[in-house]
Amino acid sequence: DVKVTQSSRYLVKRTGEKVFLECVQDMDHENMFWYRQDPGLGLRLIYFSYDVKMKEKGDIPEGYSVSREKKERFSLILESASTNQTSMYLCASSLVAGLKEQYFGPGTRLTVT
Amino acid sequence: AQSVTQLDSQVPVFEEAPVELRCNYSSSVSVYLFWYVQYPNQGLQLLLKYLSGSTLVKGINGFEAEFNKSQTSFHLRKPSVHISDTAEYFCAVIGINTDKLIFGTGTRLQVFP
Repeated sequence: DVKVTQSSRYLVKRTGEKVFLECVQDMDHENMFWYRQDPGLGLRLIYFSYDVKMKEKGDIPEGYSVSREKKERFSLILESASTNQTSMYLCASSLVAGLKEQYFGPGTRLTVT
Repeated sequence: AQSVTQLDSQVPVFEEAPVELRCNYSSSVSVYLFWYVQYPNQGLQLLLKYLSGSTLVKGINGFEAEFNKSQTSFHLRKPSVHISDTAEYFCAVIGINTDKLIFGTGTRLQVFP
């Protein structure tokens, strides 16, 4: 069965802290994604990776960076957390070739105080 | 580029009544279409997908959707809803030559007893 896991379900951080959100998939998928979900805005793509060490900016990359050192792991980094980054963060993965279906993790609800 | 519009942000309905959640998309290329469901405090789960072939697509939990190319719509339906269908539903589109899903803003389905 397909599995995408995220390191934390809930996280509380202070303004200015460096925050790491980890995502791991066990399906040998090439593509991995980080989304941000806010009420009334749906899901917005932050960053996308199509291979190890490869990344592409999504629609809202400002204030975020990513790291993909291994195929199964994709990390989202908030260099200096701010209150406007309080949100639900969702990780997903998919095959490059195939039916484009993305598999999602359970999400991390981040609160920045 | 693609875009998705979910016309209703909230749909209240009584248990055992039928429901339709509306989704319209725009794209200059051929697309695949998806409906995802998100239960409270969970990630997104695929309900159904349209790739090609029959325009009526059946998914999990008794949901179905119809692809209408002339109206660029992909509405989700269920003939009789249950309390457990209370969730947020997202329509998504992807161009056949891209790897980025574009999501609508979501429709919150609230089923009342």
